[in-house]
Amino acid sequence: DAGVTQSPTHLIKTRGQQVTLRCSPKSGHDTVSWYQQALGQGPQFIFQYYEEEERQRGNFPDRFSGHQFPNYSSELNVNALLLGDSALYLCASLSTSGRTAEETQYFGPGTRLLVL
Amino acid sequence: AQTVTQSQPEMSVQEAETVTLSCTYDTSESDYYLFWYKQPPSRQMILVIRQEAYKQQNATENRFSVNFQKAAKSFSLKISDSQLGDAAMYFCAYRSGHTGANSKLTFGKGITLSVRP
Repeated sequence: DAGVTQSPTHLIKTRGQQVTLRCSPKSGHDTVSWYQQALGQGPQFIFQYYEEEERQRGNFPDRFSGHQFPNYSSELNVNALLLGDSALYLCASLSTSGRTAEETQYFGPGTRLLVL
Repeated sequence: AQTVTQSQPEMSVQEAETVTLSCTYDTSESDYYLFWYKQPPSRQMILVIRQEAYKQQNATENRFSVNFQKAAKSFSLKISDSQLGDAAMYFCAYRSGHTGANSKLTFGKGITLSVRP
């Protein structure tokens, strides 16, 4: 059973560029959340997608956007990159519908983004 | 808004000894979940243990157990018989009990645990 996967593992961009990060949820999961983790800090919630719609959003600017596809995979897009966007971006999945609903989120290995 | 506080930035334990990591939280909700996640240098966030607020019994998972004090809003993690592989950053996290719609996790700043051989 494949867990949560993310790509790429590392990425280097320059200020002003745009980036797309990808996530495939754990098998059987229908909900994907994205978190930003600055060095030495705890993860901060960016947003969550369910049924291809953004269901909940944290305190992040509109430069951060996302998408969920019919197969439940998700993308995180960040426009007009700033130096402060350098962080580890974590994807987490869970099941929130039906009899498989559960309370625990499972995390992927993350994408390390460096903005120069 | 809910907050999670981990006031100890670093802790160290001797191999085979016991260590307790502290966490406090603030919420006005009565139904919620609390988690401890482990993040080794490999970056993968791994679930260690989970506690449902409506359960009075403290959760245990092998060498890991919690001391859940709901009235005090305290949720500490005890690691028994510490092993070198336990060295990692540990995060305490909170989740509202409303299934699905509010399932975001609120994390503390984490604590770095080192294990001395």
